[in-house]
Amino acid sequence: ETGVTQTPRHLVMGMTNKKSLKCEQHLGHNAMYWYKQSAKKPLELMFVYSLEERVENNSVPSRFSPECPNSSHLFLHLHTLQPEDSALYLCASSQDRQSNQPQHFGDGTRLSIL
Amino acid sequence: GESVGLHLPTLSVQEGDNSIINCAYSNSASDYFIWYKQESGKGPQFIIDIRSNMDKRQGQRVTVLLNKTVKHLSLQIAATQPGDSAVYFCAEQGRGTYKYIFGTGTRLKVLA
Repeated sequence: ETGVTQTPRHLVMGMTNKKSLKCEQHLGHNAMYWYKQSAKKPLELMFVYSLEERVENNSVPSRFSPECPNSSHLFLHLHTLQPEDSALYLCASSQDRQSNQPQHFGDGTRLSIL
Repeated sequence: GESVGLHLPTLSVQEGDNSIINCAYSNSASDYFIWYKQESGKGPQFIIDIRSNMDKRQGQRVTVLLNKTVKHLSLQIAATQPGDSAVYFCAEQGRGTYKYIFGTGTRLKVLA
């Protein structure tokens, strides 16, 4: 198993659909993150969970709803998205929510909104 | 270097040559830095990190140099191989925080 696994790898949905992105980490880490990566832009931090508790919601619209049922799994529930939400959504994990620790990323879900 | 505008800067190097990728970071208080490699269709992959109390750190075929005076970070790749073709970006982290500031990246193309 790779360290951080994301499913699905690709998702095409209409603006009225509801879908969920899934992330699973096999590294025994306690912190998990959702990032948005748009073309030619730096990674944008969306949400941070530490020991299943949300500790950061970086001014993300409510059409994105995260869920962290345990320290190994993270979901991003999507509802009524907009075309500008098309992007690569990356999940990452780190040992703890501390400084001087690298974050390890999954391969992302490529999301396209019709 | 870091991208300003719509196009990623591109570095083209001949296979077997050394590559140097640069990053100008923004916060003089940042004290931890990472280089990531992102291949097409994949997520960012950790390459090497360095703390601000160091000027240089070496890994396997890679070296990171940190110049705090001019807020400059570089990644040197020795004997560049086709598999090194990817986008490379740096990330900086301030003291006591888990948040990173990510660069937009440089595309490395390895010519056969």
